[in-house]
Amino acid sequence: EAQVTQNPRYLITVTGKKLTVTCSQNMNHEYMSWYRQDPGLGLRQIYYSMNVEVTDKGDVPEGYKVSRKEKRNFPLILESPSPNQTSLYFCASSGTGGYTEAFFGQGTRLTVV
Amino acid sequence: AQKVTQAQTEISVVEKEDVTLDCVYETRDTTYYLFWYKQPPSGELVFLIRRNSFDEQNEISGRYSWNFQKSTSSFNFTITASQVVDSAVYFCALRSGSGGYQKVTFGTGTKLQVIP
Repeated sequence: EAQVTQNPRYLITVTGKKLTVTCSQNMNHEYMSWYRQDPGLGLRQIYYSMNVEVTDKGDVPEGYKVSRKEKRNFPLILESPSPNQTSLYFCASSGTGGYTEAFFGQGTRLTVV
Repeated sequence: AQKVTQAQTEISVVEKEDVTLDCVYETRDTTYYLFWYKQPPSGELVFLIRRNSFDEQNEISGRYSWNFQKSTSSFNFTITASQVVDSAVYFCALRSGSGGYQKVTFGTGTKLQVIP
């Protein structure tokens, strides 16, 4: 079954404690990206990756890091989380042509206290 | 910079009414892709349709139809004979870029409530 898997689904953490949200896809997609969803703001792209070792900033990259060492994995790293990073996060993958739908993970609800 | 505007924040309709969700986009690229996604109350994102900039052909899928007009930079979505199950937040998205890099921009979403 084609899928994008995010872990964890829910996370409560404290300010400043480094965390990683994992994302894995089994469709051999080149394009992967991370979004955050906040009320009234829709989904905003944090980072994206066109392929292994190729990443670029989206619209809201501050406070986040990513890496793409393998095609299937695209972890999101928060080195020093702050309360304003409390949000719902989605990982997505798709082919590079653009003419392909994006498959989304189930989402990670992050709360930073 | 690219931008997607969904001016309708919330819409309420009575079941069986038709409803159109508006989407206006901005991009300098000549090649781009447009999408609609549905987010039901359960929270997952469901792909509905994609269109590339070369294809202005409108599409109908059951009760859903899409009107893509490059002249007005719009990609509107119509639900005919709405049903309660259509209640959700609907997002329009644009994927475009140059030099091999393609960003994705979502609109802020339109919350549709279908009242029985």
